[in-house]
Formats: sequence, C-alpha cells, structure tokens
Amino acid sequence: SQKIEQNSEALNIQEGKTATLTCNYTNYSPAYLQWYRQDPGRGPVFLLLIRENEKEKRKERLKVTFDTTLKQSLFHITASQPADSATYLCALVTGRGSTLGRLYFGRGTQLTVWP
Amino acid sequence: GAVVSQHPSWVICKSGTSVKIECRSLDFQATTMFWYRQFPKQSLMLMATSNEGSKATYEQGVEKDKFLINHASLTLSTLTVTSAHPEDSSFYICSAPRDKEGQPQHFGDGTRLSIL
Repeated sequence: SQKIEQNSEALNIQEGKTATLTCNYTNYSPAYLQWYRQDPGRGPVFLLLIRENEKEKRKERLKVTFDTTLKQSLFHITASQPADSATYLCALVTGRGSTLGRLYFGRGTQLTVWP
Repeated sequence: GAVVSQHPSWVICKSGTSVKIECRSLDFQATTMFWYRQFPKQSLMLMATSNEGSKATYEQGVEKDKFLINHASLTLSTLTVTSAHPEDSSFYICSAPRDKEGQPQHFGDGTRLSIL
C-alpha cells in the first residue's frame, strides 16, 4: 500500500540548533515533493518544493534534500527559533500539470523550539 | 497576504443542517481547486478536485451527494455539506494552484465545522 511517513509525531529542540525532519514514502513515484508549515487552526503554508531530478534546495534557513533511491526527503531548519514552532507537513505530487496536482500528505511533525 | 480566502472560518450547527463553505482565489484564476478534510492529528485527506465549468472529481469513499461541489467561476468553488451529522465535524480546507504547472498550491485558512 502507499504510505507517507514522517519520522516522528513531535520533535523538541533548543533554540539555535538545527531541526531535521524526515519524510519517507513507499509505492509512490513523485514528480515533486513539497514541505508545508501548518499552524494550529490554519491552512498549510508552502515552504519549499523539490523536483524528482533535484537533490537539494535551499531557501534562507531552510534546506530540503530528496533521495529518490532511498525514497526519502530531509527537511532542515538551521539556527532554529521559537517562531519556527509549528507542524511541518511533507506532501507528494505524483502527476504533472495543473489538472494532476493532487497532493498526498504525511501526518506531519510537530516541532517545538524552546528558548 | 492571503491568495486563497476561505469562508466561514468556523461553523457550529445542529444535525441535519446543510452548510456551505466558500473558497476564493483572490488575485489569480483557478480552473482547479482542491478540497481536503483534516481530523485532529491526522494528515490532510483529499476529498475532491473541483473543476471550473465541469463536474467535480471525488476521491474513493467520498459521497458526492453528501459533499456537493460547485465551481461556477474561475475564482470561486463552494463545498456544501448536506444534512450534516456529528461525524462530519472536521476541519475542511481548500487549495488552488497558482500557475500552469500546478505547484505549489495555496491553501485557505480552513473551516472548522462542528455539528451538534
């Protein structure tokens, strides 16, 4: 069966450290892998997108890696801050084109950054 | 600022009531919008794909007569939960892709539906 697993339900780290979140998938062939941030009672907010032929993407303090052999993506937040505390969602897109933009989500990892 | 607006943000109503949720793209046209449902501590589950000018495509297990979708214009899709019951209580979220490639998607802020 198809699965998207995010390594842990919760991750607690100290401010200034690097947070690393893991997303593993089985029985998917994603064209894209995306990471979203979701705050309580809010909709997800897009952070980064990485394509199947890309290994790494960076945006400010965020970095995403994508290993299609391992079927895994790692999401890093460097120099973490309490404001980074939220739930982070991994999402896969298996099709191409706007009519095939169905997203499949993991359950998310709730990150807490403490001062 | 928000590019997808969802309204209302929360609804509390009696069992048997029908509830309409609106999803608007604010500064772009969306021929396709998506509707998701999220239970506490669970992942977002795609319910249906809303297509402007044509019928929605529902995911397996989602009753199309229960969850009516209308995408009458390029900026508005509506989800109507008909004759809602307590088990329909959930967080409903819509999304729309902004560009032709379809990714990434922009999400509304969700509608918390509570059926008494």
